[in-house]
Amino acid sequence: GAGVSQTPSNKVTEKGKYVELRCDPISGHTALYWYRQSLGQGPEFLIYFQGTGAADDSGLPNDRFFAVRPEGSVSTLKIQRTERGDSAVYLCASSLMRDSPLHFGNGTRLTVT
Amino acid sequence: AQTVTQSQPEMSVQEAETVTLSCTYDTSESNYYLFWYKQPPSRQMILVIRQEAYKQQNATENRFSVNFQKAAKSFSLKISDSQLGDTAMYFCAFMKQEADKLIFGTGTRLQVFP
Repeated sequence: GAGVSQTPSNKVTEKGKYVELRCDPISGHTALYWYRQSLGQGPEFLIYFQGTGAADDSGLPNDRFFAVRPEGSVSTLKIQRTERGDSAVYLCASSLMRDSPLHFGNGTRLTVT
Repeated sequence: AQTVTQSQPEMSVQEAETVTLSCTYDTSESNYYLFWYKQPPSRQMILVIRQEAYKQQNATENRFSVNFQKAAKSFSLKISDSQLGDTAMYFCAFMKQEADKLIFGTGTRLQVFP
C-alpha cells in the first residue's frame, strides 16, 4: 500500500481481555515505531524496531505490553489483561531508516470497558 | 529529560489570515531536531515542517514557516494565507540527534473560519 496501515481502526474490549493491534509499514521501511495517544495529549513513545529487533522498548508502560516484528515488516502490539487506563489511540509509524521522516498510520482507537 | 510545552490549547483564524502557534522546549542537548505535525480528524500525524538545531536559517514549507530561537528554546509555527483545510490539531515535537523517539507537546487545536 501507499501508506502505513493499521488494523483494526477501532477496537472495543472488556477489562481483563487480551488484544492485538496490527501495523503494516510502508514497504522497504526498516524502522517502525509505536506511540500511544491518550485523550487530550500528544503521542507518547512506546517502542522502536530496527528490522526485526526492538532497539528501544523504554516506553512500554509495564509487562502487560509487548510488541513483535518477526519478519521485519508487519508489527503487532499485544496488550494482556487490559485495563480501562489502556484506552487510547495507538499510532504506528515507519521510516526508511533511523532519522528519516516518520510516516504515521491512522491509528487504532482502543476502548476498554 | 526533555519537555515540550504548547501553551495555547486552542486558536482560531479567519481564512486567508496569518496565525502563529507557540512552542517552547527544554533540553540540555546541543544537537536535535524540532518538528511540527498536523493531526486532522483522520488521526494521522502529518509532518508539516522540520528544523535542525544546528541550522540558523528558519525552515519554510510553502505557507508554513518557523521562528526558531535556539537560545530562548522557542519554536513557533506561522501559517500564512490560512485555508479551511488547515483546521486540525498541531503538535510540536522534539527529537535528540541519533535518537529514536519523538517527544510531543500537548497540542494546539486550530480552527480556520470562512
